Amino acid sequence: QKEVEQDPGPLSVPEGAIVSLNCTYSNSAFQYFMWYRQYSRKGPELLMYTYSSGNKEDGRFTAQVDKSSKYISLFIRDSQPSDSATYLCAMSAGLANSGGSNYKLTFGKGTLLTVNP
Amino acid sequence: NAGVTQTPKFRILKIGQSMTLQCAQDMNHNYMYWYRQDPGMGLKLIYYSVGAGITDKGEVPNGYNVSRSTTEDFPLRLELAAPSQTSVYFCASSYERVIGYGYTFGSGTRLTVV
Repeated sequence: QKEVEQDPGPLSVPEGAIVSLNCTYSNSAFQYFMWYRQYSRKGPELLMYTYSSGNKEDGRFTAQVDKSSKYISLFIRDSQPSDSATYLCAMSAGLANSGGSNYKLTFGKGTLLTVNP
Repeated sequence: NAGVTQTPKFRILKIGQSMTLQCAQDMNHNYMYWYRQDPGMGLKLIYYSVGAGITDKGEVPNGYNVSRSTTEDFPLRLELAAPSQTSVYFCASSYERVIGYGYTFGSGTRLTVV
């Protein structure tokens, strides 16, 4: 079983739709959960960061973590064409020999989202 | 503030050639990383560094080498390029202890080995 599973899509929605993006994971050591957005031919950029189970909201974006089910979600409300990008989930576990002072990120494969005007 | 700068943006190599991908950051981050991204395969960690003079292997280090002589620079060396190294390479950096800020990525180097 892979550490992080993410449906690659592609996902195509009309403007204004609610988008749900999801990842599952198998490593119960993961403590921090992130969502990155990657526009075409660009590097990933951090969108949301959460720690522990629950919801976190930032404007039109809501990140949700369910540690008991090992399942995280990103919801986008009132989606816009400018939201068209690849969304990668990422989770952290300790770097080997780092003493736990930093956390290696394990990424999902990314979901390609297109929001049509 | 430039963030993470990668050069070159594009490169075509012939099999067996060597090259160095450059990465520089101006945020005084101690931690730096090299990832490769293949279509449908996500980001794979090649090497990382926790400070000047300290490097370690990631998931897919074979065929690559790194050095970290300064805090700012973290070059990735490809020796004897192979078609399997055709990929997009991303350099990233982070604060040592503040995971909430995540990683700052460069814009990538698109490498083709023919």
